[in-house]
Amino acid sequence: SYVLTQPPSVSVAPGQTARITCGGNKIEGKSVHWYYQKAGQAPVLVIYDDNDRPAGIPERFSGSNSGDTATLTITWVEAGDEADYFCQVWDTSTEKYVFGPGTKVTVL
Amino acid sequence: DVHLVESGGALVQPGGSLRLSCAVSGFTVSDNFVTWVRQAPGKGLEWVSVIFFSGATYDADCAQGRFAISRDSSKNIVYLQMNNLRVDDTAVYFCAGGRNGGYYETPYWGQGTLVTVSS
Repeated sequence: SYVLTQPPSVSVAPGQTARITCGGNKIEGKSVHWYYQKAGQAPVLVIYDDNDRPAGIPERFSGSNSGDTATLTITWVEAGDEADYFCQVWDTSTEKYVFGPGTKVTVL
Repeated sequence: DVHLVESGGALVQPGGSLRLSCAVSGFTVSDNFVTWVRQAPGKGLEWVSVIFFSGATYDADCAQGRFAISRDSSKNIVYLQMNNLRVDDTAVYFCAGGRNGGYYETPYWGQGTLVTVSS
């Protein structure tokens, strides 16, 4: 089965840049989606198809995907960005969705 | 606006059954796709099952043989029938939807319904 890996946590100061990685075998061949989730709330899609933003998501959120690593980048980090972030792919070979384990972003 | 509302979560004994419902508005389930995703207390997101516009369904390993996703197109509702429930099925169950023709992303989510499996 396809496995995604993420760092458990990332800490960043306000105004700085946070980078959250999502590792997977040849992940560049897949469309990667990113969600954030605040405590007690439903997940929110912030990036789809590697680097597209849904309506209403600030330009501070961007994505990239190359080789075995996809990356979510949050520039000019704000206190409100503190949340858990999950990457997701649809694995066509097994016809299953896969989520990464999640990264907790802490704003110092 | 698209809205998804889950219902049916409850406290159930191990070995019991539940049927969860996901009522959808602003989005036609038979023209798109709907998934179920669960989250155990303090844990990450775990995909459970999906039903596509074609009617094709796919399940995670944790659901195969015990859970079944289905839909009622006339009511625009998606169901998750869960049988032989285990303690480790305890979780908040979210339904989430996405547009056919996209990249399998799910921009639309409900608020979740809690399933507790305990004796």
